[in-house]
Amino acid sequence: EVQLLESGGGSVQPGGSLRLSCAASGFTFRSYVMSWVRQAPGKGLEWVSSISGSGGTTQYTDSVKGRFTVSRDNSKNTLYLQMNTLRAEDTAIYYCVRGLWLRFPADYWGQGTPVTVSS
Amino acid sequence: DIQLTQSPSFLSASVGDTVTITCRASQGISSFLAWYQQKPGGAPKLLIYAASTLQSGVPSRFSGSGSGTEFTLTISSLQPEDFATYYCQQLNSYPLTFGGGTKVDIK
Repeated sequence: EVQLLESGGGSVQPGGSLRLSCAASGFTFRSYVMSWVRQAPGKGLEWVSSISGSGGTTQYTDSVKGRFTVSRDNSKNTLYLQMNTLRAEDTAIYYCVRGLWLRFPADYWGQGTPVTVSS
Repeated sequence: DIQLTQSPSFLSASVGDTVTITCRASQGISSFLAWYQQKPGGAPKLLIYAASTLQSGVPSRFSGSGSGTEFTLTISSLQPEDFATYYCQQLNSYPLTFGGGTKVDIK
């Protein structure tokens, strides 16, 4: 059974940093693109970032470029999102998802971890 | 960026109804469109990809159609567990954008 378990969310002041983790199980992690999608309170879904199976290629939405870094450790079956210089508008639930690349949808989603950026 | 406009943003329906949700893209995206269902407090779930391919395990009352710039999600014989918010997403080009969502509520 595919499982994606996010952790690392919390409250942080504007300008601060957080590192999200996503522990994956139930599939061959290194064979899959992995991504982060977020959802602000009461709002819709927003794709944030994706990383290829090898970790060699990454993609970001413009609003996080230069501030967020996606990475993965295939030996630990874990996906990461390093978030720096956080802003109030980054407040959201962050979902770890399997997939999301050109032509490939997100076929499994974690339950999400909340991030609140507030002074 | 490709904008996706869903309509309606809200609809009220009864069990047994057939409902149709439309997703319009600001430019052609071939058939690179997916539909997701999200229930309150839960994570989204993939329903349909490549515009019309049903994800494994999804009931056949869900169907998708369209290509280019106009797409539809149809739910035949609405069931109580189908009351949720539905999102389309384009997978044609970065950034991978979502529609604004359609909330299906009980009449």
